[in-house]
Amino acid sequence: DAGVTQSPTHLIKTRGQHVTLRCSPISGHKSVSWYQQVLGQGPQFIFQYYEKEERGRGNFPDRFSARQFPNYSSELNVNALLLGDSALYLCASSLGLLEAFFGQGTRLTVV
Amino acid sequence: EDQVTQSPEALRLQEGESSSLNCSYTVSGLRGLFWYRQDPGKGPEFLFTLYSAGEEKEKERLKATLTKKESFLHITAPKPEDSATYLCAVQDEDKLTFGGGTRVLVKP
Repeated sequence: DAGVTQSPTHLIKTRGQHVTLRCSPISGHKSVSWYQQVLGQGPQFIFQYYEKEERGRGNFPDRFSARQFPNYSSELNVNALLLGDSALYLCASSLGLLEAFFGQGTRLTVV
Repeated sequence: EDQVTQSPEALRLQEGESSSLNCSYTVSGLRGLFWYRQDPGKGPEFLFTLYSAGEEKEKERLKATLTKKESFLHITAPKPEDSATYLCAVQDEDKLTFGGGTRVLVKP
């Protein structure tokens, strides 16, 4: 079975630009969550979507937004990129709201 | 606010040298405590979920236990391939709150 897939795997952006990260959950999973992991730290919660509705939002600025599509895939958008947005962005899917399985992440570098 | 603290931050072990990792937590309504393994540059790999104090789970050389305030991940007779960062997380409502992780290096 395919796990959680994220794209792209790596990308480099310039300060002030916009970025869109994509996630496809495990087949049958209806919940998708996004996390930011800065080097050397644990992941920080950004958003959770369940059945296409936002269920939770972490302590991130409004430059961060997300949505979930009818097929349960999801996009994370970040506007006006800052150097501090450089991180590994992780997507997790779960059946319901419990055990979360993570993708390999998207490594974003802002220069 | 939920808090998760993992100790030690880093652990160097000789192959075969058993040890334990600690995860202390404060959460208003614990729905589950999770352990993940993370290799450099990769996403976290799910290991265990514990739901109530006294619960234990095992997988190969790993054993996780849970009390009301902390969880332990015991590594028995580790091998070099057990080298990784081990992350602990608690679930409260809709999110996971992670600790900073313990970086484990097992030398042959």
